[in-house]
Amino acid sequence: ELKVEQNPLFLSMQEGKNYTIYCNYSTTSDRLYWYRQDPGKSLESLFVLLSNGAVKQEGRLMASLDTKARLSTLHITAAVHDLSATYFCAVAYSNYQLIWGAGTKLIIKP
Amino acid sequence: DTGVSQDPRHKITKRGQNVTFRCDPISEHNRLYWYRQTLGQGPEFLTYFQNEAQLEKSRLLSNRFSAERPKGSFSTLEIQRTEQGDSAMYLCASSLQGSSTEAFFGQGTRLTVV
Repeated sequence: ELKVEQNPLFLSMQEGKNYTIYCNYSTTSDRLYWYRQDPGKSLESLFVLLSNGAVKQEGRLMASLDTKARLSTLHITAAVHDLSATYFCAVAYSNYQLIWGAGTKLIIKP
Repeated sequence: DTGVSQDPRHKITKRGQNVTFRCDPISEHNRLYWYRQTLGQGPEFLTYFQNEAQLEKSRLLSNRFSAERPKGSFSTLEIQRTEQGDSAMYLCASSLQGSSTEAFFGQGTRLTVV
């Protein structure tokens, strides 16, 4: 059974700082997704990672995937308040089903 | 608005009542998913449709839950004899054919069973 663990589950940081969110998963998978969710809002797709060593960047966010270590990271560079949200990783369990982490609630203080 | 649309946004019901939610996916998307999310948790997979065919259903899904997607367009999720444990956000998502494509989510229906 595939299990997905994120850490930390809660992160409070100052603007301008760098930090990394980690996503570990327990069995082999060929796809990993990162999503963002604002309070009371829907889930917004950020990145799709499909292969070992994949790295994708969008603005201050960069995601990477190490399939051998079963680890993905979401790195935040020079955080700004607008990045405050809950970030989820989701790992493909089958062609259709994703197993989700519990989410990392990120609060960025001005 | 060409995103995924869900209706209603909120539903309060008494225990034991039946409820039905609707999801209208992005029009060209042939894949449709239902998820459930409780506070402080990630979404939990419920079921999946490809066009009108329901191809996968979570083992965790009680037989009180049923979903349909007639004609491969909109979908409905019905919960019969609701229980307090059914209180959650029910999310619908759709995607294009292809295992690597990301899913686009609706705003969700928040169900409260009292």
